[in-house]
Amino acid sequence: DIQMTQSPSTLSASVGDRVTITCRASQSINTWLAWYQQKPGKAPKLLIYKASALENGVPSKFSGGGSGTEFTLTISSLQPDDCATYFCQQYSAPPWTFGQGTKAEV
Amino acid sequence: QLHLQESGPGLVKSSETLSLTCIVSGGSLSDNPYSYWGWVRQPPGKGLQWLGSINHGGNTYFNPSLQSRVTVSVDSSKNHFSLSLNSVTAADTALYYCARLTVTRYFDLWGQGILVTVSS
Repeated sequence: DIQMTQSPSTLSASVGDRVTITCRASQSINTWLAWYQQKPGKAPKLLIYKASALENGVPSKFSGGGSGTEFTLTISSLQPDDCATYFCQQYSAPPWTFGQGTKAEV
Repeated sequence: QLHLQESGPGLVKSSETLSLTCIVSGGSLSDNPYSYWGWVRQPPGKGLQWLGSINHGGNTYFNPSLQSRVTVSVDSSKNHFSLSLNSVTAADTALYYCARLTVTRYFDLWGQGILVTVSS
């Protein structure tokens, strides 16, 4: 299985800060990576696919980058509504696997 | 707009079989022949684990870590798909989500999730 490791596990930042979450794959996954946002008590919501493509309706404050084994999710200006846990997922090879999550706090 | 909704018992006894159904509304399971439909679970306070997937034609694939215990089936006439997980233990207590997988296999639509607790 391809292992996905996210860092940090928790990030605390101020309103308006630019924050970045990192996701590392145990082997190259090209750009077959998605990012999800999960708010408490809610289902995950797709933010980004193919490492950097923004899902329809997702604000442009979210951006993704990277390829191979290292990827990033950046929130350009953190707002209280962005308080959530963020997961990465590889879909290069089954079984599809997720990172352990990064909890963003404002 | 397509909507997914999980249904099933919230409490299952240890060693028995967990059975859930995902009802698809606002569209058909077979609208896109390249879509797969799957199940993902999340133990309390933990991360996400993909369990298995199926397409409207009944082609399936599973997470090898659970393959011997998992069955996923589809009923296109009723526009729903189902999960069975046998021989459950407390470790199977989790929020279970049904979801749609795109042709490249990321999850673009999720149900709200259903909490299943395994009791002894």
